[in-house]
Amino acid sequence: KQEVTQIPAALSVPEGENLVLNCSFTDSAIYNLQWFRQDPGKGLTSLLLIQSSQREQTSGRLNASLDKSSGRSTLYIAASQPGDSATYLCAVYLSTGAGSYQLTFGKGTKLSVIP
Amino acid sequence: GAGVSQTPSNKVTEKGKYVELRCDPISGHTALYWYRQSLGQGPEFLIYFQGTGAADDSGLPNDRFFAVRPEGSVSTLKIQRTERGDSAMYLCASSQRGYRGAADTQYFGPGTRLTVL
Repeated sequence: KQEVTQIPAALSVPEGENLVLNCSFTDSAIYNLQWFRQDPGKGLTSLLLIQSSQREQTSGRLNASLDKSSGRSTLYIAASQPGDSATYLCAVYLSTGAGSYQLTFGKGTKLSVIP
Repeated sequence: GAGVSQTPSNKVTEKGKYVELRCDPISGHTALYWYRQSLGQGPEFLIYFQGTGAADDSGLPNDRFFAVRPEGSVSTLKIQRTERGDSAMYLCASSQRGYRGAADTQYFGPGTRLTVL
């Protein structure tokens, strides 16, 4: 069974710092990997999707990398801002064999950026 | 519509009652997914629809949970005889196709927060 682990569970940094969030998965036979942001009590906002043939994706201050062979992904946030404070979730797309692609999520990293 | 919508945003019910949660996917998306997120956890897969049919319901926890999508658009998640352990955020997502060979991006709705007293 695919397991997704995110480390650290929580992170607090001063404003302006660069930071890295880590995600690891046990089954390298994934298709895509997606990073989400979730604000307290809210739904999921998609940040970056990395397709299985890609190694990284960038959007603004965010950069996500994927290494399928080692079962790892990282989300790099440059010049962090208080508005970046949220929980960041990593999810992998895994074929169920029933013609669908389930998302398997980690538990998330709760980020606090201190002004 | 512009995005996935879910209603109600919050639902409070008593133990033993029946509830329905609604999801309206992005127009034209044939694949629809339901996930459940307990406090402090990541979302967990419940059921997947391709068109009108439930192609994969392996994540439904028991037979009190049921979902339909009669016209291939709006979906309703139905929970009978609710229990306190059903309290969670219920998230719906849709994608363009979702069939084998195309792991299309899933777009999520804002969720329904269900509280069972």
